Amino acid sequence: NAGVTQTPKFRVLKTGQSMTLLCAQDMNHEYMYWYRQDPGMGLRLIHYSVGEGTTAKGEVPDGYNVSRLKKQNFLLGLESAAPSQTSVYFCASSPQPRLAGDTGELFFGEGSRLTVL
Amino acid sequence: AQSVAQPEDQVNVAEGNPLTVKCTYSVSGNPYLFWYVQYPNRGLQFLLKYITGDNLVKGSYGFEAEFNKSQTSFHLKKPSALVSDSALYFCAVRAVTSYGKLTFGQGTILTVHP
Repeated sequence: NAGVTQTPKFRVLKTGQSMTLLCAQDMNHEYMYWYRQDPGMGLRLIHYSVGEGTTAKGEVPDGYNVSRLKKQNFLLGLESAAPSQTSVYFCASSPQPRLAGDTGELFFGEGSRLTVL
Repeated sequence: AQSVAQPEDQVNVAEGNPLTVKCTYSVSGNPYLFWYVQYPNRGLQFLLKYITGDNLVKGSYGFEAEFNKSQTSFHLKKPSALVSDSALYFCAVRAVTSYGKLTFGQGTILTVHP
């Protein structure tokens, strides 16, 4: 059972470079999310998607873009990386709320550690 | 807006003693409340949740949490701590109508000493 898979797990970038983080889930979940985790700040929602072809801004969306071209994939892009984007990024997924299979919980990937120099 | 506060950055307890990790929340309407645990260099693992019903919720690995609506709290407890319980614990809240978007607390590092 793969669940939620994130690639790459580690990446080092120079300021101004671009990159894409890939999240894939095999649970047929409608909803997908990107969070960032910083010390002392918990997890903060960057962007989320409520279905294929949809995206929406979360709490800290600036400097990031996302795409959900396929239901199972959710991509997070950094067009011009900045040191403030050094963080651990977590993807999560969940069933559509209030439908069968929705227990309210999110299912998380293992994280992607990004360092911007 | 919804928010979560975990007032303790760190909790230290001796193995075999009871443990409590505190959480208070703010949300419009009825809450869904969650506890997640994170081990070093790993993702978040679901421990337990409160959706509705009994205020005392039992979860994985012997953990439980008590929902207190008047105090807007959802403290995590375990009667007898194990060294293997040492990890980072997150409380999270979601309003019933917020379509799955969880708001997390800043996390509490639990250290259980042998």
